[in-house]
Formats: sequence, C-alpha cells, structure tokens
Amino acid sequence: RKEVEQDPGPFNVPEGATVAFNCTYSNSASQSFFWYRQDCRKEPKLLMSVYSSGNEDGRFTAQLNRASQYISLLIRDSKLSDSATYLCVVRTLTGANNLFFGTGTRLTVIP
Amino acid sequence: DTAVSQTPKYLVTQMGNDKSIKCEQNLGHDTMYWYKQDSKKFLKIMFSYNNKELIINETVPNRFSPKSPDKAHLNLHINSLELGDSAVYFCASSQAPGGMGEKLFFGSGTQLSVL
Repeated sequence: RKEVEQDPGPFNVPEGATVAFNCTYSNSASQSFFWYRQDCRKEPKLLMSVYSSGNEDGRFTAQLNRASQYISLLIRDSKLSDSATYLCVVRTLTGANNLFFGTGTRLTVIP
Repeated sequence: DTAVSQTPKYLVTQMGNDKSIKCEQNLGHDTMYWYKQDSKKFLKIMFSYNNKELIINETVPNRFSPKSPDKAHLNLHINSLELGDSAVYFCASSQAPGGMGEKLFFGSGTQLSVL
C-alpha cells in the first residue's frame, strides 16, 4: 500500500469554479502535512502546510482529518494561473526517510 | 538569487556513458536530497545528506553515487547509464532532517534523456 494516495485527475474546471482535492495517507503516525504545487516542467514549491485545525490562505483552504487519515485542498474562484499539479506530502517521525509524496492531482482551469 | 541551483538543466547522452549532475544551495541548510521524478510524475527520494553525512540511501542501483564535499553541495554521479534512468532529477534542501514543518526547497531539475 502506498504511503500517500491521490486521485491523479485531471480535473478540468472553468474559471471561477470551486474545486477540491483529497489525499489519503496510510501511516497513522504521520505528523506533518503539506500541499506542494508543481507547474509543468518546473520544480515543486510549497503551497501551504496543513494544520490540525485547518488553515486558509486567500482562496486556498487546507483541512486535515486524522480519524479518516486524509487531507484536503479547496480552491475557490479558480484562476487560469491555478493550473498545475498539486502534490500531497506527508511526514512521519519514524525512520530517516520520513517524507512521502503523492503522485499529484493535475488541475486545468479552462477560460 | 537562486536558492538551490543544479546543473545541467538538460542532459542527453548515450547508454553506457557516465554523467554527473551538480547541486548547490546558498540557504545555509544542513540537509540536501536527490529525488527522481519518472514519466508518471512520481517523486521518489534517492539520497539524503545531513551535514555531509549520508542519512537516506533508498533502493537505488549502485551505479548512482552521491557525493557531498560540503554541506552546501550534493552531486550525483551515474555510471553506465541505462534507458530506465531517463527522468527528471531534482535536488532539494531543508533546514534539518526530520523536523516538524520542514519546507523543502527544490532546484529546477535536470531532465536526463538516455538514448
């Protein structure tokens, strides 16, 4: 079983739409959670960390559900510039290799 | 100012050749990483060094050999290149390994194509 699983998409949504992605993780000892954004042919960049109480950054809202072991990312009022792949990243505190990336969810915002 | 820089950006080579990718970070971080992203976009850790000491060595063929001359540099040498080595290789750094809320800073990637 993979440490982190995401729906690869693609999600094709019109401008202005609200879209949500989920990501599940298998290790209940996971401690830190992140969403990274990767544009085509570019490097991943941190979009936002995900806190237990949930957090919001402008049009982006991240939620954590420890009981069901998933995190979510909600994007409101989608812009063309939001088109990218969104990577779910989970960190455990066990072992030296403790950072796990999902395969990403591809989003395309259509004019 | 580029935080994590890796060279070359593109590398096209024949099977059986030996090649190196260089990485440097100017963030003062203690930990550096090499990741491989294959055609399915899965980002997989290969190696990690903390202050020049190897701390992560995933199941990677021993044709791949990382070298960290100092904590600001982590190079990757690949011997006897194979077709399956074609991928994008990302270097990354972070303040420290295993810490809470660690942000990774990635280089812009090296697109390796083995013909």
